[in-house]
Amino acid sequence: GAGVSQSPSNKVTEKGKDVELRCDPISGHTALYWYRQSLGQGLEFLIYFQGNSAPDKSGLPSDRFSAERTGGSVSTLTIQRTQQEDSAVYLCASSPTGEGGYTFGSGTRLTVV
Amino acid sequence: QQPVQSPQAVILREGEDAVINCSSSKALYSVHWYRQKHGEAPVFLMILLKGGEQKGHDKISASFNEKKQQSSLYLTASQLSYSGTYFCGTEFGNYQLIWGAGTKLIIKP
Repeated sequence: GAGVSQSPSNKVTEKGKDVELRCDPISGHTALYWYRQSLGQGLEFLIYFQGNSAPDKSGLPSDRFSAERTGGSVSTLTIQRTQQEDSAVYLCASSPTGEGGYTFGSGTRLTVV
Repeated sequence: QQPVQSPQAVILREGEDAVINCSSSKALYSVHWYRQKHGEAPVFLMILLKGGEQKGHDKISASFNEKKQQSSLYLTASQLSYSGTYFCGTEFGNYQLIWGAGTKLIIKP
C-alpha cells in the first residue's frame, strides 16, 4: 500500500480483556517494528521483525504481550488481560531493509478502563 | 543507553535558528531524526551513518560527530511548520533504535 496502515485507530477496552492490534506495512518492506508511546513521552520499543528471521522480542514488557507477522507482511500485536498501564498509542513502523528511515502508521490509541 | 536530547524544549520566533543535540554514552552506528506533530505519527527527517557526515534538505540539516558520539539537528530560518517534537533515534548496528525523550519546538509568529 501507499503507507503503513494500522487498525483500529482507537480502541477502548475493559480491564482484563484481550485486544488485537493490526499493522499492514508498506509492500516490500522487510523490517517491521512495534512501539508504544504514552502521553507526552518518547517511543518505547516493543518488537522487531526482519524478513524470515526470528523476531527481536526484547522490548515486550511482559508475557501478556505477543506479536506475530504472517507471510512477511501483516503483523498483529496481541495484549492479553489488559491493564490500565497498557493504555497508550501503539505505533507500527516499517522500513525497506531495517537500515533506512522508518515510515510510521498513524497508530492505535488504546484506552483500558 | 537512552540518548540524551537537549534542550528539552525551545520556543522561537519565526525566522530564528535552533540547534537540537543528541548524545549517546555508547558508540553509534547511525542516528535517525524524526519530527512528530501533536496527535500524529513521527515523520522521518534524515538518517546519518557513522563517518562524521552532514546531511540536510531545505533549511533543516544535521551533523554526526562519531568521536563525540553526538548528533546535532540544525533548523535555520524556522517556519511555523517546523513546530513539533523532535526525536533522535540511535542505532548500534542491530537495527533497533533507542529513542531520546524528545525536544519540543514551538515556533511563534
